[in-house]
Amino acid sequence: AQSVAQPEDQVNVAEGNPLTVKCTYSVSGNPYLFWYVQYPNRGLQFLLKYITGDNLVKGSYGFEAEFNKSQTSFHLKKPSALVSDSALYFCAVRDIGGYQKVTFGTGTKLQVIP
Amino acid sequence: SQTIHQWPATLVQPVGSPLSLECTVEGTSNPNLYWYRQAAGRGLQLLFYSVGIGQISSEVPQNLSASRPQDRQFILSSKKLLLSDSGFYLCAGDRGQLYNEQFFGPGTRLTVL
Repeated sequence: AQSVAQPEDQVNVAEGNPLTVKCTYSVSGNPYLFWYVQYPNRGLQFLLKYITGDNLVKGSYGFEAEFNKSQTSFHLKKPSALVSDSALYFCAVRDIGGYQKVTFGTGTKLQVIP
Repeated sequence: SQTIHQWPATLVQPVGSPLSLECTVEGTSNPNLYWYRQAAGRGLQLLFYSVGIGQISSEVPQNLSASRPQDRQFILSSKKLLLSDSGFYLCAGDRGQLYNEQFFGPGTRLTVL
């Protein structure tokens, strides 16, 4: 079985400061990992993904994420937060050896304070 | 690029009434398609997924059903809505490989009264 944990319900950060949204995963094999963002009353938008190769993945809107196999983590980061980054962020995982189902975390609300 | 259309954006229905939500896909063929429900603006619950026409897998036993009559059309239905069916329904798709990200529609806010 595959699972994803986002340990923080909410993360508050001041505008201009670096941000981190945490994600840990569990799969039986090797993972495909994804980050999505959701603005209120909208669908999810894809930010970035890890498939293989470089552990640091760069994505949309200046976001990046670091894959750490030993810690089974895939934390989302941004060097300088913007107020417009305030949204709900979801981590998701697929097991490479698995089937079509994607498992999403419970989401972390990011609040960037002006 | 791939686009998912969903309608309606909002829907208010009485308990016991039927439901039909439609989702169509542009920009890709043979997509995998998914219906999710999101309660209280949080986690996503996978309801159904489809890897092709007429092929539906149900994840959670419930009051809902799904159909895929055409390659790019995915329909979520109910014969009799329950109060617990209220939520934000999202249709999603991907291009079939496990490493492909999903693309989402704008969602339908369903309120059952």
